[in-house]
Amino acid sequence: DQQVKQNSPSLSVQEGRISILNCDYTNSMFDYFLWYKKYPAEGPTFLISISSIKDKNEDGRFTVFLNKSAKHLSLHIVPSQPGDSAVYFCAASVGGKLIFGQGTELSVKP
Amino acid sequence: NAGVTQTPKFQVLKTGQSMTLQCAQDMNHEYMSWYRQDPGMGLRLIHYSVGAGITDQGEVPNGYNVSRSTTEDFPLRLLSAAPSQTSVYFCASSSSGRYNEQFFGPGTRLTVL
Repeated sequence: DQQVKQNSPSLSVQEGRISILNCDYTNSMFDYFLWYKKYPAEGPTFLISISSIKDKNEDGRFTVFLNKSAKHLSLHIVPSQPGDSAVYFCAASVGGKLIFGQGTELSVKP
Repeated sequence: NAGVTQTPKFQVLKTGQSMTLQCAQDMNHEYMSWYRQDPGMGLRLIHYSVGAGITDQGEVPNGYNVSRSTTEDFPLRLLSAAPSQTSVYFCASSSSGRYNEQFFGPGTRLTVL
């Protein structure tokens, strides 16, 4: 049973516009949520995180929103740039373990 | 700092063969972990370690063994490879206070025929 789900395998956005990546989870015990970014033939790199006691965290162009009642988080990228084109994984932590979603491939077109 | 290094980058095995995927980090991180990435499945945790001498199972531990004799190294052993273990394997490490923010190695692409 997938505890962390990213239902959109891909997303295409125009440069300069907003990218919104979504993630849903089922386990209410998750204490931290994270986003990782992955380029082909490389390992994932940490992007941004949010504690379960917060509802928003911002870092430059990247903002993560957490809606605990809906068990939903999202990553907003504003403005989107071609270099943001990558696969984005959401992840959730519990008991020292990270559980990842399936990933969403973002394509930002010039 | 080299960060997290993994060897080999690519490997082809025959069913039943054994091998060890190597992982090393030079950041003095206590926490290390192994993941596999399969299409449509994201990254799944195989085994993890919170420090030298301590290991525990993740989501998909069957068919894999690990040990942690030093802080720096965390090898993953396949005792008898199966085609279902064809995957890309990633090793990651983090400090104990920030175990969520893991640093990943470049990966090992394994094919089992």
